[in-house]
Amino acid sequence: DAGITQSPRHKVTETGTPVTLRCHQTENHRYMYWYRQDPGHGLRLIHYSYGVKDTDKGEVSDGYSVSRSKTEDFLLTLESATSSQTSVYFCAIRSAGNTIYFGEGSWLTVV
Amino acid sequence: KNEVEQSPQNLTAQEGEFITINCSYSVGISALHWLQQHPGGGIVSLFMLSSGKKKHGRLIATINIQEKHSSLHITASHPRDSAVYICAVSQLQGAQKLVFGQGTRLTINP
Repeated sequence: DAGITQSPRHKVTETGTPVTLRCHQTENHRYMYWYRQDPGHGLRLIHYSYGVKDTDKGEVSDGYSVSRSKTEDFLLTLESATSSQTSVYFCAIRSAGNTIYFGEGSWLTVV
Repeated sequence: KNEVEQSPQNLTAQEGEFITINCSYSVGISALHWLQQHPGGGIVSLFMLSSGKKKHGRLIATINIQEKHSSLHITASHPRDSAVYICAVSQLQGAQKLVFGQGTRLTINP
């Protein structure tokens, strides 16, 4: 357990509204990742961070932005939510020993 | 062709059977991970391998770097082992991003 918490765990929002998901870790790991998981697609990388203010895009970054102003927090923002962004979102961190730890997931429904 | 391929995609077995799930990859890696996800649940890391073999309880994971292949074995399978098992590789370059297989859905019947 790497002390990862995601919030909110469940959210229903309307199309066009902004949404921010938070990933919080307690152990100062450098690398943090946001994934989405959809049936038929598995886990896909949205954005990742390799340090404070250091972020980069993953394979499905369109419509998403991220920020990391503190080591412990990695925020994922949907600027204007669309129904195609209905998904389960997982935050993950990579430890110095290369083990991957996942958060419990955030279920987002865009109606 | 996916960079990480798992087989089988679905596997149903009887309690007590020996289970093998395979993973092949085509990219250079720094490590390979086996993950477990129960229905509606979170994702748990079972193993991280860069060479050889690891064992934890009834679970055994092996990797052959030359052949770019890994296997996850479950001995004396139990219904509580029913889950999706996911193979993922950490790429060699950059932030060692993970590339995931599609997962193997395992069902163990009592």
